[in-house]
Amino acid sequence: QQQVKQSPQSLIVQKGGISIINCAYENTAFDYFPWYQQFPGKGPALLIAIRPDVSEKKEGRFTISFNKSAKQFSLHIMDSQPGDSATYFCAGPGAGSYQLTFGKGTKLSVIP
Amino acid sequence: SAVISQKPSRDICQRGTSLTIQCQVDSQVTMMFWYRQQPGQSLTLIATANQGSEATYESGFVIDKFPISRPNLTFSTLTVSNMSPEDSSIYLCSVEYPSTADNEQFFGPGTRLTVL
Repeated sequence: QQQVKQSPQSLIVQKGGISIINCAYENTAFDYFPWYQQFPGKGPALLIAIRPDVSEKKEGRFTISFNKSAKQFSLHIMDSQPGDSATYFCAGPGAGSYQLTFGKGTKLSVIP
Repeated sequence: SAVISQKPSRDICQRGTSLTIQCQVDSQVTMMFWYRQQPGQSLTLIATANQGSEATYESGFVIDKFPISRPNLTFSTLTVSNMSPEDSSIYLCSVEYPSTADNEQFFGPGTRLTVL
């Protein structure tokens, strides 16, 4: 049973545009929602995370928007740059207290 | 954030052999995790390794195939046993730092395994 559903699978954005990646979760007990960024040949790096007590969190060009009633959260990348081209994973807590369950990933390509 | 290293970074192995992957962290951590990431896919948790106790395996993964050691709070190994081409993947260790308030996990660079 997939606990975190991520879309789109791939995304092409013009340089300077806004990239939006969406995730939906099923388990209402989730209380921590991180986003990871992974470049080819590298391990995933924690990008930004949010708890459901806030509706939005911004760090530089990266913003998480959280909609608790819809059980959805999204990553917005403002002023997208070619260096942002990577695969992005959303995640939520897994079955165990300290586990994470990951979405299937979104491959973002930012073209000049 | 944690500084995590893995050895080897990549390897090409023959069917039927075993490979042990090492994960070293720059500070003491309680929770360590091993993940598998098949080509172009998401991350799948193999097991959780806590120091001083047996590893806890996820559904579909067994100790005979993926034995794990956790001898201290900064080190762990994952062995991929009796390998087949289906084991070709990236294997990643991650840690949860006890100082963080959230379930922040940090990943190593991964070990890219190819089984011929």
